[in-house]
Parts: sequence; C-alpha cells; structure tokens
Amino acid sequence: DAGVIQSPRHEVTEMGQEVTLRCKPISGHDYLFWYRQTMMRGLELLIYFNNNVPIDDSGMPEDRFSAKMPNASFSTLKIQPSEPRDSAVYFCASSLYRASYNEQFFGPGTRLTVL
Amino acid sequence: GESVGLHLPTLSVQEGDNSIINCAYSNSASDYFIWYKQESGKGPQFIIDIRSNMDKRQGQRVTVLLNKTVKHLSLQIAATQPGDSAVYFCAEGVYSSASKIIFGSGTRLSIRP
Repeated sequence: DAGVIQSPRHEVTEMGQEVTLRCKPISGHDYLFWYRQTMMRGLELLIYFNNNVPIDDSGMPEDRFSAKMPNASFSTLKIQPSEPRDSAVYFCASSLYRASYNEQFFGPGTRLTVL
Repeated sequence: GESVGLHLPTLSVQEGDNSIINCAYSNSASDYFIWYKQESGKGPQFIIDIRSNMDKRQGQRVTVLLNKTVKHLSLQIAATQPGDSAVYFCAEGVYSSASKIIFGSGTRLSIRP
C-alpha cells in the first residue's frame, strides 16, 4: 500500500488566494483526519470524518476553512481567503475502526506558506 | 522537509544509552495513550499504545509506563540508536470520542555519537 497520499507537498501562495489541499487515505480505512502543525500550537486536529461524514469540526479555526470528503478515497481542505497566519504544515491521516484504539497513519504533509 | 522546526524541549542522549521521554497528560478520563515519532520531513508514526487499565507495556526496544495518579506517561527507549533521532509526541484519547486523539507538545530526542 502506498500509504496516505497528500498533494501538493509544498504550496506557496499570496494572501487572499484560495488554497486547496488534497488527501487520499489508505484504501479501506473509514476514518480520515486533518491536522495542522505550527511552531506555536503544535499538532492540532482540525476535523475528522467517518465513512465520508464529518464527525467533529470543532478544531476548524474559522469560516475560511472548509473540508469535504466526496468519496472514500479523496478529501480536500480548502482555505479561502488565505492569510499569512495559515502558514503551517497540514497533515492528513487515516485509520480503520477497531473496538479499541484505532492507529492513525499519517501522510507526509503539505507545507503551506502564505505570503 | 515537512517538520516545522518546533521550539521543543530537547533530550540529548549518548548513542547506546537508554532514553526516557516524559509526558504529562490532562484528561483523567482518557482511556488510552499513544506515543508517536516524527522524523524530519515526515508525518508522525505510531510507536506504541497503552490502555488506561495498564501501567506498563513493552514493545521492541520501547517501554511505556503510565501513572494515572499523577497523570504521567513515559517512553523508554533501550540502547538508543541514531535512527531514534526525532520528535516524540504523546497523545491521549477517549473511546467514546471514536478515533479522536489529542496530541501533546512533543520532545525532541537528539543522539550524540
């Protein structure tokens, strides 16, 4: 298995532009997570999906952020309009439900720089 | 790479020695705890987990200890190797919250040759 795939790996954009980050989870996994990692705040959970349905979006910073999962093999995280404070590394992770803890498998991340 | 140069506590260990990384967690209702390793340029990777009804669990070269009384978790790495250089995160979760876990702030492990 190729693992969790994220694209692009690096994104540089100007303030006010729309940014779309993409994620392909591991095939067969039924949970998908979006995280943001910054120097100041560490690793934060933004939103997660179960069977393509958003379960908890309490970590989404504000209305400029939105996430979708149109099918089991694809998810997007969109920022519109982007701001310099959105600069961070964004990780996608997926997991397969078990009765106990579900190990999350992380992608390589997308480094976003907003100028 | 895709690590962010976090300003983290750093533990410097001589190669071959044992490493002990500590973590204080916040939620006394957490059902399980996990240690993740993040190498430079990569996403976090699962190392080992422990349920709240246990106080010790061993894996390959790693041992996790849980002290619920003081809400403290530690990761012991035996015979530390250069490949162990990374940032280590503890995370906690509650079964009723499905797969949601909350990450701690992390510790950077540096290996001296």
